[in-house]
Amino acid sequence: RKEVEQDPGPFNVPEGATVAFNCTYSNSASQSFFWYRQDCRKEPKLLMSVYSSGNEDGRFTAQLNRASQYISLLIRDSKLSDSATYLCVVKTGGFKTIFGAGTRLFVKA
Amino acid sequence: DTEVTQTPKHLVMGMTNKKSLKCEQHMGHRAMYWYKQKAKKPPELMFVYSYEKLSINESVPSRFSPECPNSSLLNLHLHALQPEDSALYLCASSRALAGSTDTQYFGPGTRLTVL
Repeated sequence: RKEVEQDPGPFNVPEGATVAFNCTYSNSASQSFFWYRQDCRKEPKLLMSVYSSGNEDGRFTAQLNRASQYISLLIRDSKLSDSATYLCVVKTGGFKTIFGAGTRLFVKA
Repeated sequence: DTEVTQTPKHLVMGMTNKKSLKCEQHMGHRAMYWYKQKAKKPPELMFVYSYEKLSINESVPSRFSPECPNSSLLNLHLHALQPEDSALYLCASSRALAGSTDTQYFGPGTRLTVL
């Protein structure tokens, strides 16, 4: 079993749609959680950190469920510019950082 | 300013060459990372330096040799690489916060081709 698992997609959604991604992790000692987005042939860019209480940034909402060991990302009112690969990132103790395989999102007009 | 710079942007080298990748940040971050990313795959952690000391080596072959000359600079020395080492090499940095969320910021990467 992979340490961090994501549905690779692709998710094809129309503009304005709401889309949700999940990510599961296997190490219960994992401490920090993030969502990054990566555009084709570009570096990953931080979308948001994920806190235990959940957090929201504009159209984006992230949730953490430690009991079930998953994190989620909800995108509301999808824009064409949201088309990218969304990477779930988990850090265990120290600096060890594991990326999920990524979920590809295509938003179409 | 959340900028990490990497040079060169592209590098083509033969299997007998020696080359170096460079990474620089001026955000006062004390942790720096090297990742390798193959096409359509996620980044894979290679090395982490914390306060200029090697903290993590993810069983990377010795033909990759990291160096952290000071808190702002990170190098990756390459020697006798194989064609399968062709990939995007990403550098990242973070504040090295313990027991807390510690956000990593990535450079644009060096696209390496080994012939």
